[in-house]
Amino acid sequence: GQQLNQSPQSMFIQEGEDVSMNCTSSSIFNTWLWYKQDPGEGPVLLIALYKAGELTSNGRLTAQFGITRKDSFLNISASIPSDVGIYFCAGHYGGSQGNLIFGKGTKLSVKP
Amino acid sequence: ETGVTQSPTHLIKTRGQQVTLRCSSQSGHNTVSWYQQALGQGPQFIFQYYREEENGRGNFPPRFSGLQFPNYSSELNVNALELDDSALYLCASGDRVSDTQYFGPGTRLTVL
Repeated sequence: GQQLNQSPQSMFIQEGEDVSMNCTSSSIFNTWLWYKQDPGEGPVLLIALYKAGELTSNGRLTAQFGITRKDSFLNISASIPSDVGIYFCAGHYGGSQGNLIFGKGTKLSVKP
Repeated sequence: ETGVTQSPTHLIKTRGQQVTLRCSSQSGHNTVSWYQQALGQGPQFIFQYYREEENGRGNFPPRFSGLQFPNYSSELNVNALELDDSALYLCASGDRVSDTQYFGPGTRLTVL
């Protein structure tokens, strides 16, 4: 079935650093969504993107819907400790019938 | 506006038993979707309900079944439980037009 390639798989951050992660697919997607999931909780929606080229911000978070409709990125500026967690990209493509396809996640941790 | 709620929070069953998980959708939403999330993975789509009918199904066997009620609450039923069914089960409600889904906190199912 359809898969999303999300990278990096994990990364360590120091407070104040900017963070970038991305997602690519082999099919054209109609919607791109970015979620954050903390341990033992459900994913929380951060940003939703609906049009190719769309650039949307939510506080320190910025995400873009790629022009080719096969990729998306999420940037976090000036990271803070509460940014740690697992970030997932997800999206719908033409044949997905309500099915959100998820990436495998990017785990953000604090540098020791 | 109330969020998505799920019950129970945790559940332990033995192999071969049956289980029912419950979800209450966010006010104003007309779709309910269920996902299975194994440890360290992204959520996998089980099925979606719209107007009390199944509206798309992922790669899960028929022993996974569901219901949506007129008040948009929903149930996920799993028969003949197997050890591999141990996972976090997530319910998400949304609007069919926008394709955006909002998740509940999940039910952690352990099959022994």
